[in-house]
Amino acid sequence: DVKVTQSSRYLVKRTGEKVFLECVQDMDHENMFWYRQDPGLGLRLIYFSYDVKMKEKGDIPEGYSVSREKKERFSLILESASTNQTSMYLCASSLVGISYNEQFFGPGTRLTVL
Amino acid sequence: GIQVEQSPPDLILQEGANSTLRCNFSDSVNNLQWFHQNPWGQLINLFYIPSGTKQNGRLSATTVATERYSLLYISSSQTTDSGVYFCAALTSSAGGTSYGKLTFGQGTILTVHP
Repeated sequence: DVKVTQSSRYLVKRTGEKVFLECVQDMDHENMFWYRQDPGLGLRLIYFSYDVKMKEKGDIPEGYSVSREKKERFSLILESASTNQTSMYLCASSLVGISYNEQFFGPGTRLTVL
Repeated sequence: GIQVEQSPPDLILQEGANSTLRCNFSDSVNNLQWFHQNPWGQLINLFYIPSGTKQNGRLSATTVATERYSLLYISSSQTTDSGVYFCAALTSSAGGTSYGKLTFGQGTILTVHP
């Protein structure tokens, strides 16, 4: 079974702190994704990566950066956390390609910024 | 970009009833997935269904890509089926590459009463 894990289920940080959210997948997937989920706004793509050290902006990249130094690990970084970044963060991974690219999600991290 | 619309937004059932959830998408897609979000927030993969029909126990799904819709059927519903059901469409990013950028619908909130 595909397994995607995230470093924390719940996280509480203060405004201005630097925050790291870690995601690890064990299926040798090329693609990895970070989404955030907010009531009334649904799931929105922040960033994705299609290879080590490669990244592409999603729909809402402002205030975030990412790092992918190893194929299995994709980090989301909040350089200076703000209260409007309080949200549920979901990581996903998939194979690349048109014929089969099912995405699998981690358990999510509920981040609260005070 | 592609639009994904789900209906109905809310559905309340008695245990044992059957239901159909619908997902319409506005453009050609490479793929389509159905998810169930559990009470802890994790997205559980239900179906990966670019076209045709699949069944898994009491759940089945049909995608008619040429008519741009997908249906999720739940038969003999149980209280554990409660939660939010999402469909998500895969579309190519700009340039024709297939990085698997998922666009989510707003979800259907299903409540099954005993």
